[in-house]
Amino acid sequence: AQRVTQPEKLLSVFKGAPVELKCNYSYSGSPELFWYVQYSRQRLQLLLRHISRESIKGFTADLNKGETSFHLKKPFAQEEDSAMYYCALSGGSNTGKLIFGQGTTLQVKP
Amino acid sequence: DAGVTQSPTHLIKTRGQHVTLRCSPISGHKSVSWYQQVLGQGPQFIFQYYEKEERGRGNFPDRFSARQFPNYSSELNVNALLLGDSALYLCASSSRDRAYEQYFGPGTRLTVT
Repeated sequence: AQRVTQPEKLLSVFKGAPVELKCNYSYSGSPELFWYVQYSRQRLQLLLRHISRESIKGFTADLNKGETSFHLKKPFAQEEDSAMYYCALSGGSNTGKLIFGQGTTLQVKP
Repeated sequence: DAGVTQSPTHLIKTRGQHVTLRCSPISGHKSVSWYQQVLGQGPQFIFQYYEKEERGRGNFPDRFSARQFPNYSSELNVNALLLGDSALYLCASSSRDRAYEQYFGPGTRLTVT
């Protein structure tokens, strides 16, 4: 079965501390994984995609097929990073079906 | 472009009633997907439509149906409402080449009493 698991509902860190939001997945085949973010009073939006291997707003995520993980990392958290983060799995090649995890609220304290 | 728009913003219905939710995609986007988000959970895929055809369906009962119009706007219909249908219903549009990059609307908050 296709599934995305985010074990932490809430992650609270101080400004300048490293951040790691955990994501594990279950998928038979070659997965496409994404991180979506929802800032306060804004819409859900794409943050990054594993295939692009780019850093967005200082965040990176590496797909580890052996551990079936796609953790989101940032070396130094900023207060503006506070948001809800969702890990998502594409349910097929270039389809509009995304399977989301439960989400993790990141709270960056001053 | 105002982005993806959804109407209405909020809706209160009673059990057994029917509801229709509407979505207008970003100009140029031909794909529309619908998601249900129950409080405290991530969005759950309901349907995807592309060029007016259903391209994917999630694990939802037949009480849920949708359609896409020639202008690529879409409707989600839910019949015989249950209390458990109370949720935020999200619509997302995407282009054909980047279907994974979905642009979400603000959602419709449905409350069933």
